[in-house]
Amino acid sequence: AQSVTQLDSQVPVFEEAPVELRCNYSSSVSVYLFWYVQYPNQGLQLLLKYLSGSTLVESINGFEAEFNKSQTSFHLRKPSVHISDTAEYFCAVSEGGATNKLIFGTGTLLAVQP
Amino acid sequence: DVKVTQSSRYLVKRTGEKVFLECVQDMDHENMFWYRQDPGLGLRLIYFSYDVKMKEKGDIPEGYSVSREKKERFSLILESASTNQTSMYLCASSPFPLAYEQYFGPGTRLTVT
Repeated sequence: AQSVTQLDSQVPVFEEAPVELRCNYSSSVSVYLFWYVQYPNQGLQLLLKYLSGSTLVESINGFEAEFNKSQTSFHLRKPSVHISDTAEYFCAVSEGGATNKLIFGTGTLLAVQP
Repeated sequence: DVKVTQSSRYLVKRTGEKVFLECVQDMDHENMFWYRQDPGLGLRLIYFSYDVKMKEKGDIPEGYSVSREKKERFSLILESASTNQTSMYLCASSPFPLAYEQYFGPGTRLTVT
């Protein structure tokens, strides 16, 4: 069965510092990969996704993630974080198909401090 | 924009009550999902539906049932609420087959006392 591992439950970082949130998955087949963000008291919003093509994908607010098939990883990075990036981040994987089930990691709380 | 709405943001119910959580999407999506979210456990799939009146169990269906009588509406039912069902419940929808991401509602925080 597929699984997604986010080893860091919480990542504290100072404003304007770089950050990396780690995500590893287990799957022997082609997968689609997603990062979702959840701001306090809100639902999940899609941050970025990898379906095919370029292994480096970017979001509109400066985050990027790189699909590494050999390491089965999809780490999320941002070169300079803002206070407003404070949120919980979830990595998810799907094998596609008719029902498009997602398997989520346990989440990483990014806590940006001034 | 895709919009997924959930009937309540906060709900408090007593043990043994029958609880209905409603979810509506306005984008004619075929697939709809119910998750519960608990600290340290992430999101776990309870049930999903890939068409009207069609449903499949997810990873943690025990204690829950669902109903999908219309394409836009997917209901989660707690037949007899228990304290261990206190959680955040998230509904999501996705189209088939062209897109792969799911679109989430704002969530319902259910407390069972």
